[in-house]
Amino acid sequence: QSALTQPASVSGSPGQSITISCTGTSSDVGGYNYVSWYQQHPGKAPKLMIYEVSNRPSGVSNRFSGSKSGNTASLTISGLQAEDEADYYCSSYTSSSYVVFGGGTKLTVL
Amino acid sequence: QVQLVESGGGVVQPGGSLRLSCAASGFTFSSYGMHWVRQAPGKGLEWVAFIRYDGSNKYYADSVKGRFTISRDNSKNTLYLQMNSLRAEDTAVYYCAKDVAVAGPPYFDYWGQGTLVTVSS
Repeated sequence: QSALTQPASVSGSPGQSITISCTGTSSDVGGYNYVSWYQQHPGKAPKLMIYEVSNRPSGVSNRFSGSKSGNTASLTISGLQAEDEADYYCSSYTSSSYVVFGGGTKLTVL
Repeated sequence: QVQLVESGGGVVQPGGSLRLSCAASGFTFSSYGMHWVRQAPGKGLEWVAFIRYDGSNKYYADSVKGRFTISRDNSKNTLYLQMNSLRAEDTAVYYCAKDVAVAGPPYFDYWGQGTLVTVSS
């Protein structure tokens, strides 16, 4: 099972919006609405930000939103803040091996 | 509050074995599926294994299948990962993580702090 494809890095200025893509196949992202997104700050455990493509857990800012089209899921962060600078990972259920993660995207807030 | 505390990491020689533990508290452990996820130094997350709330179903990443065994003791609120035939590429921080929903899709809402496993001679 190959990892889902994410851009290695994205950047944006405070207040701007950015979008991180996550591309898979019909066996994972495209075949099921079981996509989630995680934020990880250096030296910390990951934090669930989005589940089931577009749902936010309690306590997660509404500046974070998720969507999906075909085999590609996306995480959008609006009104960028310095504290959003972190690594972001997508994850999907997959029919072949149960769970697959993306390679991760480093978000830099300029 | 939910707490997951991993232990058992350390330095082991290639070909060796190690057993990780994850002590859970603050929720009904016996009702939730649990996962192990690892992260090699400077690399991304890699899902390792899953066990259903009652231990009846287990799934593994291809990279560890046949070498690692996930198990749980619901009477002790503890998750385990038995790692055999360890390789250098198994070097990573190992996290245990809890499923969001009972018998639901694999989303991880709580994570431990991680335990470092180093495979080196």
